[in-house]
Order: sequence, then structure tokens, then C-alpha cells
Amino acid sequence: KNQVEQSPQSLIILEGKNCTLQCNYTVSPFSNLRWYKQDTGRGPVSLTIMTFSENTKSNGRYTATLDADTKQSSLHITASQLSDSASYICVVSANGNNRLAFGKGNQVVVIP
Amino acid sequence: IAGITQAPTSQILAAGRRMTLRCTQDMRHNAMYWYRQDLGLGLRLIHYSNTAGTTGKGEVPDGYSVSRANTDDFPLTLASAVPSQTSVYFCASSDSTGGADTQYFGPGTRLTVL
Repeated sequence: KNQVEQSPQSLIILEGKNCTLQCNYTVSPFSNLRWYKQDTGRGPVSLTIMTFSENTKSNGRYTATLDADTKQSSLHITASQLSDSASYICVVSANGNNRLAFGKGNQVVVIP
Repeated sequence: IAGITQAPTSQILAAGRRMTLRCTQDMRHNAMYWYRQDLGLGLRLIHYSNTAGTTGKGEVPDGYSVSRANTDDFPLTLASAVPSQTSVYFCASSDSTGGADTQYFGPGTRLTVL
């Protein structure tokens, strides 16, 4: 069973609209959680990183939240742009372990 | 600064052939990783290296081997390719191990085994 589950699997949104992506994890003991953006045909690029004590982190129009008690994270995209079309991958790291647990990604398509 | 480079960008390979995917980083990172990414499965770790001279097995190591002769290079070899190894392969590096540091990914190699 995957330790990181993301939803929705895919979504289509109109340019200028907001959207929220969800990530639930079971990784323990928790160290940090990252959201990566992967454009088609490219490697993933880190957007945000949050540790146990952080519950929100922003990077431009991207805002990530973390609830370590419920083991949930979300990535909110504000005023979406065509360039936001990508896969967004939730990645969780356990304490003392360099292995990362990857979600399967949320595929976002922004249409004009 | 180039970051991480991978070669080739793509390759079509006959089953049974030997293939080496190249990965080079110029960030002097200690740790390097090889992942494969398949539709519907996400990224899976094949092999990793915490520092030059050491390697370790990831989640899906069978059919693959790696070496880490120096800090910058981390080639991945398929000794005898099979169709199930058709995938997109990503190399990554991080300053240290333990998951605290961000992993930086290369652009990927798209491999098709026929």
C-alpha cells in the first residue's frame, strides 16, 4: 500500500481560477513533506518543504499546508496560469531515512 | 551551473542488449539516486549512493547496477534489457542523506526496450 495518497488524480481548471490538491500520508516517524512540480517531459522541481512544526509555506502563487496530526497536506494554486499545467507530486520523508515516499501525483491541466 | 545532466535523452533498445544511462552533477552533492517513473506508479527508487564509493539498493533494483567512482558521476547499467524496463529514468542528487535536503532531479532519459 502506497504511503502517500494524492487526490484528485487529475483535474482541469480554467485559467485564473484557484484549485487545491490533497495529499494524505502514513509515513512515520515524519520528517518533512515536499511538493514538487513536474512539467511534461521534465524532471520534478521542488516547490515547498515543510517540517513537523510548520503548517503553511508559500512560494509565489503556490501555498502548501500541513496538518501533522491528521497527516494531511494540501497545495493551493491561486489565480492559475497556463504554465501551471503539470503534475504535482507530494513527497514525504521519514526521520533518519534517506528514502522518500512519493505520491503518484495530481495532474493539473489549465485551459484558457 | 548545469545542475544534473543525463544522457541520452531517449533511447530505443533491443531486448537483451546492454545499456548504460549516464548522470553527472556539478553541485558537489554527496548523495545521488536513480528512479524510474511509470504511468500510474509514480517515482520508484532503483539504487542510491550516499557518498562516492558506496551504493545501495532501492525499491526496484533487480536488473540494474550502479557505480559511484567519484562524486560527480553515477551511471546506471542495464546488463540485459527487458521490455519491462521501458520507462523514464531520472537521476537526482542531494547535498546529504537522511531526507532533510531537497533532491534535485535531472531532465530524464526515456528508454524503450523492444
